Amino acid sequence: SYELTQPPSVSVSPGQTARITCSGDALPKQYAYWYQQKPGQAPVLVIYKDSERPSGIPERFSGSSSGTTVTLTISGVQAEDEADYYCQSADSSGTYEVFGGGTKLTVL
Amino acid sequence: QVQLVQSGAEVKKPGASVKVSCKASGYTFTGYYMHWVRQAPGQGLEWMGWINPNSGGTNYAQKFQGRVTMTRDTSISTAYMELSRLRSDDTAVYYCARDPCSRDGYNCLDYWGQGTLVTVSS
Repeated sequence: SYELTQPPSVSVSPGQTARITCSGDALPKQYAYWYQQKPGQAPVLVIYKDSERPSGIPERFSGSSSGTTVTLTISGVQAEDEADYYCQSADSSGTYEVFGGGTKLTVL
Repeated sequence: QVQLVQSGAEVKKPGASVKVSCKASGYTFTGYYMHWVRQAPGQGLEWMGWINPNSGGTNYAQKFQGRVTMTRDTSISTAYMELSRLRSDDTAVYYCARDPCSRDGYNCLDYWGQGTLVTVSS
């Protein structure tokens, strides 16, 4: 079955830039989406269609795509950004959705 | 405002079935696919499938085919997810989530329910 691969953890200091990657063979032909999840809460969509930002999401969140890897970038990280982040995309046929394993962002 | 309100926590024995509801408000229920996603304790998100509330059409993840049934009642703007032959590893929080991207041929999830904890234990 199709898989998306994320690093288990990323750590940055406040004000620095965090980059979280997600790799998958079908990413060149399927859009990726990113979600932020804080403990005890439901996920929140922060990026859709690789690089679009929903209304209400701070401008410091951005997304990009290159080949089989998509990247979520958080510029000027704040303490409130500490959370788990998940990428989501579809398999090559577009039939089944998959989530990456998640990345825990720690703000030092 | 868009709201998805799920039914309360459930405790089930192995082999039983569970049916979780998700009542939508604040938007046209039949205009958006509804997905179900689960999260085992301390684990990541797992996609289970979607239902098109307009047609009743469904698409289930291969892992759950034969065990999951997604239905809806448009008269009360409510979606349901039933999982049968429960096992201990089905213990998880189950979420419903609205999909605003399906009309463009893609799937993304913008509003989520609060989650329903299903515990499977003998």
